[in-house]
Amino acid sequence: EPEVTQTPSHQVTQMGQEVILRCVPISNHLYFYWYRQILGQKVEFLVSFYNNEISEKSEIFDDQFSVERPDGSNFTLKIRSTKLEDSAMYFCASSDGQGPALFFGSGTQLSVL
Amino acid sequence: TQLLEQSPQFLSIQEGENLTVYCNSSSVFSSLQWYRQEPGEGPVLLVTVVTGGEVKKLKRLTFQFGDARKDSSLHITAAQPGDTGLYLCAGAETSYDKVIFGPGTSLSVIP
Repeated sequence: EPEVTQTPSHQVTQMGQEVILRCVPISNHLYFYWYRQILGQKVEFLVSFYNNEISEKSEIFDDQFSVERPDGSNFTLKIRSTKLEDSAMYFCASSDGQGPALFFGSGTQLSVL
Repeated sequence: TQLLEQSPQFLSIQEGENLTVYCNSSSVFSSLQWYRQEPGEGPVLLVTVVTGGEVKKLKRLTFQFGDARKDSSLHITAAQPGDTGLYLCAGAETSYDKVIFGPGTSLSVIP
């Protein structure tokens, strides 16, 4: 069964460092998303991406964040200068656009020290 | 701002019991979805409901979308320990819109 894959599963970084989280969405999907979940809190929308551009972003997705689809398969989230409060589980999701159903990866647990 | 509320926040029941969890909003959604999330994993889609008043069944799980498309419920019959997890409702305004999530109901089914 097709699935969304995310790497790495865990990332530890120092405050102020740049991190890149990687995702391979389901191959025939056209819509891509990043969500995050701080421990014990709800799943929060960060950004949606379609046709090689951002279609919507939340207030969390400030200038420190960027997304890219560098080739036909990968979808990345970059945080330029990490802060302590960026520590969270980051989920990538994709959709075929036929309906709102999202397919999630297993997440990257980001710890900023 | 669209918000989804879920109740109860926590639920602990004995195996074999029935339960219902609720999802409410002041906003109208074109669809509501229910996901189940296990610790350290991403949410997994259970069902999407799109029509006001719609009822969908998935084995022992029954999902209902309110007539006004502002609320939904999930009923589990004869709960089993394998049903343990975080149940999330999520809503979207359109098929292409962002999906926003409620805070979840954490269900624990005790053998």
